[in-house]
Amino acid sequence: NAGVTQTPKFQVLKTGQSMTLQCAQDMNHNSMYWYRQDPGMGLRLIYYSASEGTTDKGEVPNGYNVSRLNKREFSLRLESAAPSQTSVYFCASSEYQGAYGYTFGSGTRLTVV
Amino acid sequence: AQSVAQPEDQVNVAEGNPLTVKCTYSVSGNPYLFWYVQYPNRGLQFLLKYITGDNLVKGSYGFEAEFNKSQTSFHLKKPSALVSDSALYFCAVRQGGAGKSTFGDGTTLTVKP
Repeated sequence: NAGVTQTPKFQVLKTGQSMTLQCAQDMNHNSMYWYRQDPGMGLRLIYYSASEGTTDKGEVPNGYNVSRLNKREFSLRLESAAPSQTSVYFCASSEYQGAYGYTFGSGTRLTVV
Repeated sequence: AQSVAQPEDQVNVAEGNPLTVKCTYSVSGNPYLFWYVQYPNRGLQFLLKYITGDNLVKGSYGFEAEFNKSQTSFHLKKPSALVSDSALYFCAVRQGGAGKSTFGDGTTLTVKP
């Protein structure tokens, strides 16, 4: 029972490079989310997908794009990485639109130099 | 807009003593409230939730939380702390559709032997 799987776990990018963070869940959840975690700032919502086929911006969407590939997979793309995007990124999923809480992946630690 | 405040960055307690980690929230309508725990280099794990019903909710690892509507608080408690409870704790509130949750900045709990 894998839950939410994120890849890669670690990544170092140079400024201007692009990359895609992958997220997959095997719990048949409808809703999926991308958050970033920065020291002293808690978690901030980047994008979310309430259900397959829909995506919406969260609190800090600038510089990111997402794709809900199917019910299981929700990817986050950085088109032109900037040092301000150095962070730990968490994917989460939920049933019943988050009414019972989230299941989180183990995170991707991204450094942009 | 919904918001969550965790007024203490750090809480220190001795093993065996009771612990409280504070959380206050601001939301229109009835809140869905959650506590999560994060161990070093790990993703967040769900501890407990309040949706409706009894103001004292019980969760994983012996934790409980008290919902107080008049004070808009949802404090996390445990009668007897363990060294293994040392971690980063996040309070979160969900409101409305799509299950978006807003997280507090986190409180680091340190339990000393």
